[in-house]
Order: sequence, then C-alpha cells, then structure tokens
Amino acid sequence: DTAVSQTPKYLVTQMGNDKSIKCEQNLGHDTMYWYKQDSKKFLKIMFSYNNKELIINETVPNRFSPKSPDKAHLNLHINSLELGDSAVYFCASSQEGAAGFYGYTFGSGTRLTVV
Amino acid sequence: SQQGEEDPQALSIQEGENATMNCSYKTSINNLQWYRQNSGRGLVHLILIRSNEREKHSGRLRVTLDTSKKSSSLLITASRAADTASYFCATDPQGAQKLVFGQGTRLTINP
Repeated sequence: DTAVSQTPKYLVTQMGNDKSIKCEQNLGHDTMYWYKQDSKKFLKIMFSYNNKELIINETVPNRFSPKSPDKAHLNLHINSLELGDSAVYFCASSQEGAAGFYGYTFGSGTRLTVV
Repeated sequence: SQQGEEDPQALSIQEGENATMNCSYKTSINNLQWYRQNSGRGLVHLILIRSNEREKHSGRLRVTLDTSKKSSSLLITASRAADTASYFCATDPQGAQKLVFGQGTRLTINP
C-alpha cells in the first residue's frame, strides 16, 4: 500500500486553466503539507493542515486553495494557472512528537507544466 | 530566511569512497533530518538527529550535529552506485511547525 499517494503524477495544461491535485495518506498522521519544488530543486512549503485545520499558509497567491475534507486527505486547487506555476508539487504527512516533527513521508510528486 | 544551506552543491566520487555533505542553518531547532531524492521521485527520510544529540548512525550513514555552529554533516561510507541521488537536510525550527529544506547536494557515484 502506498503511504502517501497523490494524483495525477503529470499534469500539462494551458495558462488560465483551473486544475486540482489530490493527496491521500493512510498512515494515520495528523498533519499534511504541500511543498513546491522549483527547477533548482529548492523545496518550499506552501500549506500545512493539522487534523483538517489550516496551520501554515506561506504567502502563497490566492489562486492556490487547499482543501482538507478529513485528516487523511489534502487537495490543492489552482485557479488561473500561470507559467510560473510550473514545478513539482509534493504532498507529505507527519506526526508530531515530544521532540518536534518526526520524518515526513512524501508522495511521489505531481509535475505540473503550464504551457 | 530560515533556509538551510548545503555544501557542496554537487559531489562526484568513485564507488567505494566515502561521501560527506554539510548543512548549515540559522535558527534554533528541535531536530535536523536528512532526506534522499532519486531523480523524478519523492523524498525519502533517512535519519533524524535531535538537538540534544551530537552524532547518530544508521547503517552506512553517520550524521553529526553541532548546534553551537548551527551545522550538520552527513557521511555515507563505502558508497555504491545506488547512492546516486540528491540529499537534502531539513531543519525543524522551534515554534515553526514545519520542516525547512536546503537546496540539496547532488551526489553522483561513479562505478
């Protein structure tokens, strides 16, 4: 069983379109994240949810809207796609312990290409 | 910025040699973690070292942490071709509720 699964794996779309990426984890973790990895491999957090509650919204344009229907799912909807949105988007989950957050479990990524 | 910095950005060695990667960061942390990313794949958690620990081992991996210098190193001993990947350090800054990643070191193991 895949621990963190995200779909689709590849997404090619035209500028101005609206698209969604879905993520599901079966680890029972309380916290889920969206990270964006740019062409230089730099990973930057976009959002995090803890048990369906938004915890982090890291100065992401309003065109990006996360939705967490339950603690096992965190979806990302993007309106009016722009060329600069092209990147790999990773979903991850984790559980917090006494010593901070333990290792994240990442999905395999969604490569978004806006043309 | 809380972003960590990794050094070197790229490292190419012969199979069997040891590989050392370094990471520096700026804030107080709960722990520091290392991840591996194979080309076109997601990140895989390798090892976590807590702020009150100085050294940790896992198989061929050895991680050190110097909180006074805000730096960490990852040593991979007896490297193999399968170790070819990008390696990222990630810090769990106190109070931040997130991991902050460096830009990674691209490691190539030549057969």
